Amino acid sequence: GAGVSQSPSNKVTEKGKDVELRCDPISGHTALYWYRQSLGQGLEFLIYFQGNSAPDKSGLPSDRFSAERTGGSVSTLTIQRTQQEDSAVYLCASSLVPGSNQPQHFGDGTRLSIL
Amino acid sequence: TQLLEQSPQFLSIQEGENLTVYCNSSSVFSSLQWYRQEPGEGPVLLVTVVTGGEVKKLKRLTFQFGDARKDSSLHITAAQPGDTGLYLCAGGAGTALIFGKGTTLSVSS
Repeated sequence: GAGVSQSPSNKVTEKGKDVELRCDPISGHTALYWYRQSLGQGLEFLIYFQGNSAPDKSGLPSDRFSAERTGGSVSTLTIQRTQQEDSAVYLCASSLVPGSNQPQHFGDGTRLSIL
Repeated sequence: TQLLEQSPQFLSIQEGENLTVYCNSSSVFSSLQWYRQEPGEGPVLLVTVVTGGEVKKLKRLTFQFGDARKDSSLHITAAQPGDTGLYLCAGGAGTALIFGKGTTLSVSS
């Protein structure tokens, strides 16, 4: 596709359930990033992929959070045993090559609500 | 821990006014990016500055990177309702970006 695609756009689930969030980056982009945006907060870095490897997962808030990327393309962010504080917008971005001076192209995010 | 502080947090102005948004840190960044985000959408890159003292202009928007690469500013001339949105600065730190909390701008006609 032309841009970064994320699904679902909205997810409502009960506390304690597991959720999977999907990101389809721009074709050919080697770097992929996950961020979390809570109300009134900026974007919080979660994890970065170069190809299928995650050289930097320092932002994952707990071991309930995990992510993988397959085929150098699609990535899935999984949250196990969800808690109410996990409610936020989860944003995915990709860039052609890694590097903090590279433009990052964002999807429109998944709005996650934990009841 | 590297932090970026943005000010003001909220700004409500009339069409035609000028405004400046600030992004400050005690840390040095290799680059500084500015993004604009509208409700329900992801941030969209406006500009990247990499050299201390650099000034870039994008139509009515002027971006400046501080000489010491610790701060940046965004100046909008003659604001229009279409400029309404959340403006985010992001500092380069390795391969990741450190984002400020943003400035919410509302321009009324």
